[in-house]
Amino acid sequence: QKEVEQNSGPLSVPEGAIASLNCTYSDRVSQSFFWYRQYSGKSPELIMSIYSNGDKEDGRFTAQLNKASQYVSLLIRDSQPSDSATYLCAVKWRGSTLGRLYFGRGTQLTVWP
Amino acid sequence: KAGVTQTPRYLIKTRGQQVTLSCSPISGHRSVSWYQQTPGQGLQFLFEYFSETQRNKGNFPGRFSGRQFSNSRSEMNVSTLELGDSALYLCASSLESSGGGETQYFGPGTRLLVL
Repeated sequence: QKEVEQNSGPLSVPEGAIASLNCTYSDRVSQSFFWYRQYSGKSPELIMSIYSNGDKEDGRFTAQLNKASQYVSLLIRDSQPSDSATYLCAVKWRGSTLGRLYFGRGTQLTVWP
Repeated sequence: KAGVTQTPRYLIKTRGQQVTLSCSPISGHRSVSWYQQTPGQGLQFLFEYFSETQRNKGNFPGRFSGRQFSNSRSEMNVSTLELGDSALYLCASSLESSGGGETQYFGPGTRLLVL
């Protein structure tokens, strides 16, 4: 059973703070990991993809992957009210489910001014 | 490049009817996946098509079907609509070479309301 779990929200942080979003997954034969942001009423948009252990930075966003511990996280530095959205963690596994994304339920983030 | 496009954007149907949704992937992308999103269940995988072949299928009843054309455009069909089919239907495309792992890019979605 392939599962993706995210820390339950909602998460609320003040403007300028660091928001930390976490995600764990159930199967070690994983291939690639993605963070999507979804504004209310809109479709998911890609923030970051990460394939190898370690950190990957893109502007204010840093994705961290630890395959041995089966977790992936997203840090948002200098959070802005425009970052308020639901953040979805997604995992692709190797093998028969090639091409399929498994999603967590999402963490709702609110950044207050 | 133009993004993933989906038509129509909004639909209202009644129970028992059928509906067809369309998705045009990003140019050059050969894989198209469909997802259903509801507040209660989150994002649920419906199926994935690659080079006109269904490669993966989620746990949905046979009323949900799809196909992909030679130009990679895809359609999904839902027959005998039920109230519970009301949802946002999302299409996502990716390159999906033999190695897999590439990013999926989502279209704007089709919001279906079944009355």
